[in-house]
Amino acid sequence: QSALTQPASVSGSPGQSITISCTGTSSDVGAYNYVSWYQQHPGKAPKLMIYDVSNRPSGVSDRFSGSKSGNTASLTISGLQAEDEADYYCTSYTTSTTWVFGGGTKLTVL
Amino acid sequence: QVQLVQSGAEVKKPGASVKVSCKASGYTFTSYGISWVRQAPGQGPEWMGWISAYNGETYYAQNLQGRVTMTTDTSTTTAYMELRSLRSDDTAVYYCARDFHGSSRFDPWGQGTLVTVSS
Repeated sequence: QSALTQPASVSGSPGQSITISCTGTSSDVGAYNYVSWYQQHPGKAPKLMIYDVSNRPSGVSDRFSGSKSGNTASLTISGLQAEDEADYYCTSYTTSTTWVFGGGTKLTVL
Repeated sequence: QVQLVQSGAEVKKPGASVKVSCKASGYTFTSYGISWVRQAPGQGPEWMGWISAYNGETYYAQNLQGRVTMTTDTSTTTAYMELRSLRSDDTAVYYCARDFHGSSRFDPWGQGTLVTVSS
């Protein structure tokens, strides 16, 4: 199972909005609404930000939102803040009853 | 609060085995599964497999079949991941995460266990 495709890096200024894409296939992202997004700061464990495409866990800011169209899922962060600077990973369930992660996107807040 | 606490860092020689533990607290252990995910230095995460804490059912990533075994001890609410025949490319941080079966939620994650494979 190949990794999901994410841009290596994105950047934005405080207050702006950015979108990170996560492209898979009809065997993973396109097959189910089981896509989640994780934030990871250096040396820390990943933290769940969005699950089941667009659901936000309790305690996660509503500046984070998720969506999906076909084989591509997206994470949007609005009102960028300095603490949003981190690596972001998507993951999707697959038709092989496994999970596949994206290669990660480094978000830089300028 | 819900918490997963993992065992400490390990250094192993090629060909050896490692067993990482993941102690769960703050929730009903048998109502969820545990997924194991590893992350090699500078790389994205890789899902290794899943175990049901309810009945011990397991699913493993195909590339690890035959080398990995996941177990749970419900009396101590602890999950274990054993990886055998270690190679240098198994060097990674290994994470456990509570798995909401039937959802894409891995939440929360343990703090991670660094396993270094080196001769």
